[in-house]
Amino acid sequence: KAGVTQTPRYLIKTRGQQVTLSCSPISGHRSVSWYQQTPGQGLQFLFEYFSETQRNKGNFPGRFSGRQFSNSRSEMNVSTLELGDSALYLCASSSGTSGGAGTNEQFFGPGTRLTVL
Amino acid sequence: GDSVTQMEGPVTLSEEAFLTINCTYTATGYPSLFWYVQYPGEGLQLLLKATKADDKGSNKGFEATYRKETTSFHLEKGSVQVSDSAVYFCALTPSGATNKLIFGTGTLLAVQP
Repeated sequence: KAGVTQTPRYLIKTRGQQVTLSCSPISGHRSVSWYQQTPGQGLQFLFEYFSETQRNKGNFPGRFSGRQFSNSRSEMNVSTLELGDSALYLCASSSGTSGGAGTNEQFFGPGTRLTVL
Repeated sequence: GDSVTQMEGPVTLSEEAFLTINCTYTATGYPSLFWYVQYPGEGLQLLLKATKADDKGSNKGFEATYRKETTSFHLEKGSVQVSDSAVYFCALTPSGATNKLIFGTGTLLAVQP
């Protein structure tokens, strides 16, 4: 079974631009979550989508948005980029349905490294 | 809000030494608890988990027990190998929040032969 794929793997943008990152989950998985990883703040939850609906949201400004398509692929968009948005953006997929909260294993992709100049 | 605190690294050990990485959490209700590992050049992988108090998660010789009374989930291994060198993250999913992970800062483990 193919793992979680993220494109592009590396991206360089300048302040004020916008960027779109893509995540393809494992086949059959309906939940996609996004995380930001930086040396200063560590790993922080951005949001989770399940069956095309945002189910959970972290504490990030409205410049960060996402969506999920009917095939479960997800995109994350950051508008008006700031230097502090430079980070590794990770996406994770899970079935999202079994058991109670926290019982689904999340499978992480390799990440997209975004550099904002 | 909910949070996870884990010991600062790096932790440097000799092969076959005993490993403990401390992790404590703050959360309402009954969160699920996890340890994730990030090997050099690889993505995050689930190492083990525990979903209720007194549960013990185990995998690849690593163990951690969900202690509600001390709000802790310490990671242990009796005999580490060079191949265990990685960054270890303690994390929780809050009650009622499926698939939302709150991570600790990570602990770098370096095992020397």
